[in-house]
Amino acid sequence: AQSVTQPDIHITVSEGASLELRCNYSYGATPYLFWYVQSPGQGLQLLLKYFSGDTLVQGIKGFEAEFKRSQSSFNLRKPSVHWSDAAEYFCAVGGGSGGSNYKLTFGKGTLLTVNP
Amino acid sequence: DARVTQTPRHKVTEMGQEVTMRCQPILGHNTVFWYRQTMMQGLELLAYFRNRAPLDDSGMPKDRFSAEMPDATLATLKIQPSEPRDSAVYFCASGSTHLTRQNIQYFGAGTRLSVL
Repeated sequence: AQSVTQPDIHITVSEGASLELRCNYSYGATPYLFWYVQSPGQGLQLLLKYFSGDTLVQGIKGFEAEFKRSQSSFNLRKPSVHWSDAAEYFCAVGGGSGGSNYKLTFGKGTLLTVNP
Repeated sequence: DARVTQTPRHKVTEMGQEVTMRCQPILGHNTVFWYRQTMMQGLELLAYFRNRAPLDDSGMPKDRFSAEMPDATLATLKIQPSEPRDSAVYFCASGSTHLTRQNIQYFGAGTRLSVL
């Protein structure tokens, strides 16, 4: 069965500081990995995705993530956080070969607070 | 700007009443997902459709929940009878099985349901 663990429930950083949100996954085949962001009262917005190829992927809003197969990790990073980045971040894993592999399994989320 | 549209955005009802939530997927998308989000359980997949056919509804309580796609532009999620424990935010997401967009899910803004 596929699963995602986001070890940090809540992280607080100062504006301008660097950020790393952790994500560990369990999946029986080559995973498709995603990071989504949810602002209060909103749906989830895709930040970035990894399907194959370069293990360092770039996303929107200056975010990047690195896929490390040996560690079963897909951590999200940003070099300098802005106050507008305060939100909840979800890591997700799934497959892409059709059928039930189109299901995504989401982590419980990490709530990011940004201090001025 | 293509987006998934969910109605209503908010719903307050009394226990025992029928609740219907609607979702208009992005035009051309052929997969639709229903999720429920609560503080305790996070994001749970309730049902998944591809080409309007239900592929997986194992996450849905069968006795009171039902999901349908009457046509390609409308998905519905019904709860009858509703109970206070159904209070949550319900998200619809759509996607496409075309190769370049495999397994990316685009989320609506959600329906916040309160059952009194």
